Amino acid sequence: AQSVTQLDSHVSVSEGTPVLLRCNYSSSYSPSLFWYVQHPNKGLQLLLKYTSAATLVKGINGFEAEFKKSETSFHLTKPSAHMSDAAEYFCVVSPDNFNKFYFGSGTKLNVKP
Amino acid sequence: DTEVTQTPKHLVMGMTNKKSLKCEQHMGHRAMYWYKQKAKKPPELMFVYSYEKLSINESVPSRFSPECPNSSLLNLHLHALQPEDSALYLCASSQLRDVSSGANVLTFGAGSRLTVL
Repeated sequence: AQSVTQLDSHVSVSEGTPVLLRCNYSSSYSPSLFWYVQHPNKGLQLLLKYTSAATLVKGINGFEAEFKKSETSFHLTKPSAHMSDAAEYFCVVSPDNFNKFYFGSGTKLNVKP
Repeated sequence: DTEVTQTPKHLVMGMTNKKSLKCEQHMGHRAMYWYKQKAKKPPELMFVYSYEKLSINESVPSRFSPECPNSSLLNLHLHALQPEDSALYLCASSQLRDVSSGANVLTFGAGSRLTVL
């Protein structure tokens, strides 16, 4: 069975401080993992993806994520938050059946001035 | 062209109306998806088309009827909807390749905001 758990529904940080959004997954297969961002009333934009290559993945806007198989985790980080990072973030897993994408419940990131 | 275009952006309809949502992509993707997203929730998969054929229907009520006229277009026909069907409807597309090649990524449109009165 496949599932994705985003451990925090809300995260609040101050501008300029680090961001950590946590994601754990379960998959019967070697999965592909993704982080998407959604700004209010917008579609979803791909931040980064892991597809069995390097375990540390760099994405757009200074975000990166590390795939840790032993911990079944794929946490999203950014060294310094910007006000424009305030949005909803979704962790997504796609197992061997490549037509299926499983979404986490989302984490709302609030960035304080 | 790396976009998925959805029209209309906003739609208000009564419960007896018939309307359609449209989605278009010109990236050569052979899989297209409809997702429904309620406020403060993740997208929920409704339908998947692979090579213009319906491959996944997540037990969606028949008042939603998908159509894939060609590899670039995806429609969602709406009839006799209920107020609880009000949501953001997202279209997405992806290439159909093995996950291990790293090629399969969902590309989303901006969505159609549907309100059913």
